[in-house]
Amino acid sequence: GAVVSQHPSWVICKSGTSVKIECRSLDFQATTMFWYRQFPKQSLMLMATSNEGSKATYEQGVEKDKFLINHASLTLSTLTVTSAHPEDSSFYICSALGQGDTGELFFGEGSRLTVL
Amino acid sequence: AQSVSQHNHHVILSEAASLELGCNYSYGGTVNLFWYVQYPGQHLQLLLKYFSGDPLVKGIKGFEAEFIKSKFSFNLRKPSVQWSDTAEYFCAVGSSASKIIFGSGTRLSIRP
Repeated sequence: GAVVSQHPSWVICKSGTSVKIECRSLDFQATTMFWYRQFPKQSLMLMATSNEGSKATYEQGVEKDKFLINHASLTLSTLTVTSAHPEDSSFYICSALGQGDTGELFFGEGSRLTVL
Repeated sequence: AQSVSQHNHHVILSEAASLELGCNYSYGGTVNLFWYVQYPGQHLQLLLKYFSGDPLVKGIKGFEAEFIKSKFSFNLRKPSVQWSDTAEYFCAVGSSASKIIFGSGTRLSIRP
């Protein structure tokens, strides 16, 4: 199947700094990617839809100025957590829609952010 | 608004036992239904999906799910589980194939 990779897998940062997480589709082109946040023992919460070459679409309650999304190419979307605070600590996961009408999302391995 | 409920948070079974994980959804329209699985330390991956047609859907690794429209349910089943089925299982629903919402997940533990 298609492969989606995230980097970094783990990141620890100080409060007030910004952190960038990358999501890459390794063997296919993805015009649409999705960013989720997962709290411990809870489900994935869709944060935003990332569209190549256009602005991301954010879900209700998600601060677009806080979570900057850039989808500059067909294989890369980035999520930047700006001025991170401890409450932003979480597991962030991306997914990409496979090519064709398969209806299958391919997920990255996730990135764990810890803000001190 | 769409919602997905998975009532079993943690299920513990012995090998060879039968499995059924519940999933109920709320959505006013045509829905696409999915079950995703996350094995320990691995990515989420698709187990099976329902878009239309036969409401009994066969997936990978011997799993199946039945869409019962009148009950707004899409329960996951497997007649005989193996230790390797230990994982987190997520039911998901969406109006399109891509933008989907997930249930809270069910952790399945299999005793050898």
